[in-house]
Amino acid sequence: DAKTTQPTSMDCAEGRAANLPCNHSTISGNEYVYWYRQIHSQGPQYIIHGLKNNETNEMASLIITEDRKSSTLILPHATLRDTAVYYCIVRVLYNNDMRFGAGTRLTVKP
Amino acid sequence: GAVVSQHPSRVICKSGTSVKIECRSLDFQATTMFWYRQFPKQSLMLMATSNEGSKATYEQGVEKDKFLINHASLTLSTLTVTSAHPEDSSFYICSARGGVENIQYFGAGTRLSVL
Repeated sequence: DAKTTQPTSMDCAEGRAANLPCNHSTISGNEYVYWYRQIHSQGPQYIIHGLKNNETNEMASLIITEDRKSSTLILPHATLRDTAVYYCIVRVLYNNDMRFGAGTRLTVKP
Repeated sequence: GAVVSQHPSRVICKSGTSVKIECRSLDFQATTMFWYRQFPKQSLMLMATSNEGSKATYEQGVEKDKFLINHASLTLSTLTVTSAHPEDSSFYICSARGGVENIQYFGAGTRLSVL
């Protein structure tokens, strides 16, 4: 699976959009981009995934660049409860497992 | 999203005892389940992958005789930490994969403290 690079930490003001970047320059054509988050002392929560088109669900939007070498997770109106570690993972759809890097620690501030 | 139930959420035990953790997929059938371990301020580390009805595949460095995994049905996997010692104290998280889009969902985790 392709390796991903994320900033170690980010801050965001409550009510503002949180834009979390992820670089995956070695991504191959059949690899999807997945985003999970882990709130303190809980298991990871699935957020969204995509292959090449932008995706949106009730939690977030995923913007994937045309060359697929990077993506951005957007939380449109961040709340204090969105404070968590966000993981970007690249994986083939039917590959075996999710491997977690260090992720980005997002802190939403009042 | 789909629900993965993990029980217990917290366990405290004496050194030398065995601890069993259950993981259930509540609303989907999971042909594959995973067990992760997370130490404080670190990311999740995959311990093993189990497919229903077959032996688990362990990651390098994970002792299969110490961490017994049973995946007897499409909705249940168990992890038994045998003869637990203080260094086994950690946050154990199970995960199940299933559904049309093959998304991997995670349980809430079990915090094991070995005294």
